[in-house]
Amino acid sequence: GAVVSQHPSRVICKSGTSVKIECRSLDFQATTMFWYRQFPKQSLMLMATSNEGSKATYEQGVEKDKFLINHASLTLSTLTVTSAHPEDSSFYICSAREQLAGNYNEQFFGPGTRLTVL
Amino acid sequence: QKEVEQNSGPLSVPEGAIASLNCTYSDRVSQSFFWYRQYSGKSPELIMSIYSNGDKEDGRFTAQLNKASQYVSLLIRDSQPSDSATYLCAVNSGGSNYKLTFGKGTLLTVNP
Repeated sequence: GAVVSQHPSRVICKSGTSVKIECRSLDFQATTMFWYRQFPKQSLMLMATSNEGSKATYEQGVEKDKFLINHASLTLSTLTVTSAHPEDSSFYICSAREQLAGNYNEQFFGPGTRLTVL
Repeated sequence: QKEVEQNSGPLSVPEGAIASLNCTYSDRVSQSFFWYRQYSGKSPELIMSIYSNGDKEDGRFTAQLNKASQYVSLLIRDSQPSDSATYLCAVNSGGSNYKLTFGKGTLLTVNP
């Protein structure tokens, strides 16, 4: 159980285009989903937290107009990188928080999306 | 500011040995603690959760928590080359969204 998928796993795009990444919880309902970014040899950086049906909460320094997050259902969140530039090239990873009886809000990660902007 | 500290390593152990990974945290009200394993180029994988003081064992893994000392550790017994990865300590300090604060990770290498 507790499987999170992401699509696509890898994307290469031209500078100025927009890229949408989907994150799905496959076998549970995710109260909250999180979006992280990770540059090579660096730690995870939380970008934003999203709850189903409400606006995402962005971390300091993350541009909400550039990284659009939609969390329309308890199993799906999307991250759209708008007008992508080479400096946006990174590994984007989502996680989902499962809340069940006896569970202490563990987060399960998707496999990640590697974005390369040319 | 909430902080989670880990030795960056690399920590190198021979196959079959016990690997010991340590983590300290600054927020005294932290409630739950997690160890994730991240292979190079992959996303983190949850391997242990611990919420109460003491030890929690799962197969070759044992997590230890000492809230008074604000310290959590992970022991890996009978280390295997496949255990070579970066191990991330994460702390949940509560709040409505239960965000995790991650350490920078410890790189573990198990030598055959």
